[in-house]
Amino acid sequence: QQQVKQSPQSLIVQKGGISIINCAYENTAFDYFPWYQQFPGKGPALLIAIRPDVSEKKEGRFTISFNKSAKQFSLHIMDSQPGDSATYFCAASVEYGNKLVFGAGTILRVKS
Amino acid sequence: GAVVSQHPSWVICKSGTSVKIECRSLDFQATTMFWYRQFPKQSLMLMATSNEGSKATYEQGVEKDKFLINHASLTLSTLTVTSAHPEDSSFYICSARRYVGTEAFFGQGTRLTVV
Repeated sequence: QQQVKQSPQSLIVQKGGISIINCAYENTAFDYFPWYQQFPGKGPALLIAIRPDVSEKKEGRFTISFNKSAKQFSLHIMDSQPGDSATYFCAASVEYGNKLVFGAGTILRVKS
Repeated sequence: GAVVSQHPSWVICKSGTSVKIECRSLDFQATTMFWYRQFPKQSLMLMATSNEGSKATYEQGVEKDKFLINHASLTLSTLTVTSAHPEDSSFYICSARRYVGTEAFFGQGTRLTVV
């Protein structure tokens, strides 16, 4: 049972454009929603995370939008750069720092 | 952020042998460590949760006798893949947290290839 559904599977964006990745969850007990960036052969690195008590969180070029009623959240990467080319995973957990359920991942390629 | 280190970064072993992977929290004491497995071009799947001083809790479908997890100290957890087979070839990643309600930090992963 896939508890966190992520789309799209892959995404190609021009340099300077906006990359948008979407996730939907089923378990209403989830209360922590992080996004991770992973480069080939490396462990995932936390990008940004949100709790369900806020609808948006912004850190630099990265923004999470959260819709509790729709059980959806998304990652927006503004001014996308070639260095942003990586695989992005959304995730969710019941309680901050607890075991994570990951989405399937999105391979982002930013063309220069 | 805190540092979590895995050793080795990659390992090749023969089918039928056992291999041990270490996960260390370098600058904090971790009461809980999580072990994930990631097959090529797939997502991370939780294998087990390890609390210091107690037996690991395995996710459904993960063979506890094949994937032995030990968390004997607050800075070290080990995953031993016993009688490894080619289908066990994967990227194994650990994460560690100080205590409940704190962030879990990921290691860099260990690439296991069984030949």
